[in-house]
Amino acid sequence: GEEVAQTPKHLVRGEGQKAKLYCAPIKGHSYVFWYQQVLKNEFKFLISFQNENVFDETGMPKERFSAKCLPNSPCSLEIQATKLEDSAVYFCASSQSWQGVGYTFGSGTRLTVV
Amino acid sequence: GIQVEQSPPDLILQEGANSTLRCNFSDSVNNLQWFHQNPWGQLINLFYIPSGTKQNGRLSATTVATERYSLLYISSSQTTDSGVYFCAGLIYNFNKFYFGSGTKLNVKP
Repeated sequence: GEEVAQTPKHLVRGEGQKAKLYCAPIKGHSYVFWYQQVLKNEFKFLISFQNENVFDETGMPKERFSAKCLPNSPCSLEIQATKLEDSAVYFCASSQSWQGVGYTFGSGTRLTVV
Repeated sequence: GIQVEQSPPDLILQEGANSTLRCNFSDSVNNLQWFHQNPWGQLINLFYIPSGTKQNGRLSATTVATERYSLLYISSSQTTDSGVYFCAGLIYNFNKFYFGSGTKLNVKP
């Protein structure tokens, strides 16, 4: 399709619970990017993939965050043992190239940790 | 990484007015994009503009790569233009976009 599909739109988790977010990139886009948008509009890069391979994971808090992009499945971002500060909107974007051609964002998943 | 500074941080316009948003980069970028986040949180890609000028309807953008800044022009603003405008720059060595903190625009009827 021509849109990046993110599910769920909203997710509420108690502190310490696991959260899993999904992203289906636009067909034909080889690159997937995850960003975290916190208060005051700040975007933090988390991780990117080229097909199923990690392209850049320099933004990932590795102790609790993990991500995958497997063939024929939506990409996923998983947070183990969520903390209050993980509350944010998580955006996925896909692109034809890592240089950003055709860069398109999904509508985001709002994660609230209570 | 790079620092991305956007100005003004907030802007209130009367419907029909024109405005210019600015984005400064601390280093030269290979790719620059403008995005609009509407009041519902949706992010829309407005322009891919590493250099030069582009126009799309009432919006246009100019990037002067040698001077490390980009401008977004909104003419005859409408209430639907409200939201937050982000610019983001990418340097090939760093493989990711760096976002500014946005300009929050409120267009009043």
